[in-house]
Amino acid sequence: EPEVTQTPSHQVTQMGQEVILRCVPISNHLYFYWYRQILGQKVEFLVSFYNNEISEKSEIFDDQFSVERPDGSNFTLKIRSTKLEDSAMYFCASTPGGRGPQHFGDGTRLSIL
Amino acid sequence: EDKVVQSPLSLVVHEGDTVTLNCSYEVTNFRSLLWYKQEKKAPTFLFMLTSSGIEKKSGRLSSILDKKELFSILNITATQTGDSAIYLCAGGGNTDKLIFGTGTRLQVFP
Repeated sequence: EPEVTQTPSHQVTQMGQEVILRCVPISNHLYFYWYRQILGQKVEFLVSFYNNEISEKSEIFDDQFSVERPDGSNFTLKIRSTKLEDSAMYFCASTPGGRGPQHFGDGTRLSIL
Repeated sequence: EDKVVQSPLSLVVHEGDTVTLNCSYEVTNFRSLLWYKQEKKAPTFLFMLTSSGIEKKSGRLSSILDKKELFSILNITATQTGDSAIYLCAGGGNTDKLIFGTGTRLQVFP
């Protein structure tokens, strides 16, 4: 069964450094999402992306965050200058249509030191 | 503010028991209610419900939505140790984002 893949599985970074989290959505899917889950808390929406542009973003998704689809398969989340509070599990998700069930990757655990 | 509330937070049962997980929601322009199972990593999709009163079933799992009372339940019959996981409920409105609850942690002991 096709699945969303994310790399790396774990990223450890010094505060203030830039990180790029990578995702390969399911191949025929058109809508892409990033969510995060701080340890012990709810899964929170960050951003949705369709047709090469952001369709919606949350208050969490400030100027330090950006997303990109650099080619036909990858979807990336960049955090420009990481803070301690960015430590979380980051999930990528995709869906073929905007109202279908979102399918999640295994996540990248981001640890900021 | 949109919110999804799940109960109980935690449940411990023995194999063979039947469990009911609850999810209530307040989602602006509500369209769908989704259930996911989260073991070690990715939330795995279980059900998407859009209409009241229509039960969705997959093996020992079933779910139903009540749009008048704004809640959904997930039933698991004849539980097995492999059902141990966190079960997440999420509401979707007319935008792309899903609003998640805190989850119910289910532990099934032999």
